[in-house]
Amino acid sequence: EAGVAQSPRYKIIEKRQSVAFWCNPISGHATLYWYQQILGQGPKLLIQFQNNGVVDDSQLPKDRFSAERLKGVDSTLKIQPAKLEDSAVYLCASSWTSGRLGDTQYFGPGTRLTVL
Amino acid sequence: KQEVTQIPAALSVPEGENLVLNCSFTDSAIYNLQWFRQDPGKGLTSLLLIQSSQREQTSGRLNASLDKSSGRSTLYIAASQPGDSATYLCAVLRDQGAQKLVFGQGTRLTINP
Repeated sequence: EAGVAQSPRYKIIEKRQSVAFWCNPISGHATLYWYQQILGQGPKLLIQFQNNGVVDDSQLPKDRFSAERLKGVDSTLKIQPAKLEDSAVYLCASSWTSGRLGDTQYFGPGTRLTVL
Repeated sequence: KQEVTQIPAALSVPEGENLVLNCSFTDSAIYNLQWFRQDPGKGLTSLLLIQSSQREQTSGRLNASLDKSSGRSTLYIAASQPGDSATYLCAVLRDQGAQKLVFGQGTRLTINP
């Protein structure tokens, strides 16, 4: 089966610019996650969707980050305006259901963002 | 607040050696613990998942143990190979509240031929 797809793979922008990342989960997966991974750290969950509803966005900096999952399939994560500290790899993952059942999360290759 | 720590941050060993990676967590109220592998420029691949009621899981040359009461897990890699070079991350899933994985910072492993 096809894995989780993400685009673009790399993005370089200047601070205060805006940027958007796209994720297409594995077909049939109801749960979608966006993680931020700063160099030398483990991934940190930004937002979790169950179908097209938000389950957890407690660690999403809502003043500059937004995410949507229209129609419960693809998802877009946006940063506006970007700051230097947003430089990181943004990982998208999906699973059949929420983590309560211990479902494995399948990760995409990530988008490496550099903010200059 | 759950915190996950992995020691060491980096490890370099010659090919063929057996090795152990360590993971500790502060809150024992977990649903499961996973070990992931991350290769440069690629996403994470799940290696082993241990439910909170289990003590260990094995897959090929990999063996992961879990001691929930002491907040520790180890990943044992037998007969290491250069292809095992990667960053290894452990992550815990809480058993209540928001169902999200909390990751350690990872151990970067290099196997020298």
